[in-house]
Amino acid sequence: DAKTTQPPSMDCAEGRAANLPCNHSTISGNEYVYWYRQIHSQGPQYIIHGLKNNETNEMASLIITEDRKSSTLILPHATLRDTAVYYCIVRVATGGYQKVTFGTGTKLQVIP
Amino acid sequence: EAEVAQSPRYKITEKSQAVAFWCDPISGHATLYWYRQILGQGPELLVQFQDESVVDDSQLPKDRFSAERLKGVDSTLKIQPAELGDSAMYLCASSLGGEQYFGPGTRLTVT
Repeated sequence: DAKTTQPPSMDCAEGRAANLPCNHSTISGNEYVYWYRQIHSQGPQYIIHGLKNNETNEMASLIITEDRKSSTLILPHATLRDTAVYYCIVRVATGGYQKVTFGTGTKLQVIP
Repeated sequence: EAEVAQSPRYKITEKSQAVAFWCDPISGHATLYWYRQILGQGPELLVQFQDESVVDDSQLPKDRFSAERLKGVDSTLKIQPAELGDSAMYLCASSLGGEQYFGPGTRLTVT
């Protein structure tokens, strides 16, 4: 079973910030939060990951709550090309083996 | 930018036939994954390799599916015989650390 919970779908107006939540209440101390997105008929694309501090890259920002039980992926200025399914997963970053489980993700629809 | 290569991109086969998919990971990535994705669902891990060794094939239907990564570089996933329920997208990914990089996938249709 997936270790994360995400809403099945969300809408966002083009140009506005898209805030995608993820619940991971059973996350372990050495597990990171990873986000991927999958545009229709393509392979998933890595977006960002973090342990406990907020992270930002050219694609998005990741906000992780202090207790690490939830996080939010922020797309600051959503465009139509951001319409995709967004997956949140938790896993250790390196070392050892850990099965990665993708849930069903959040289908983000960016509306013109 | 280095990418994971997969071929073919599309495959149509009749049930009971054999089918094979190929994956070439990003150079230097020791970990290789094969996933199956049914329409509307998230990717489901079939098999994971660390170099040439299988570290997890618990979800691989071993009566009909096989996977190999003989030299620890590229990999082949085979289905024999194919069944109607095998119609799906087959994704390959590779990683050096925790983030996985996915190929474009192979869309399999079994008729």
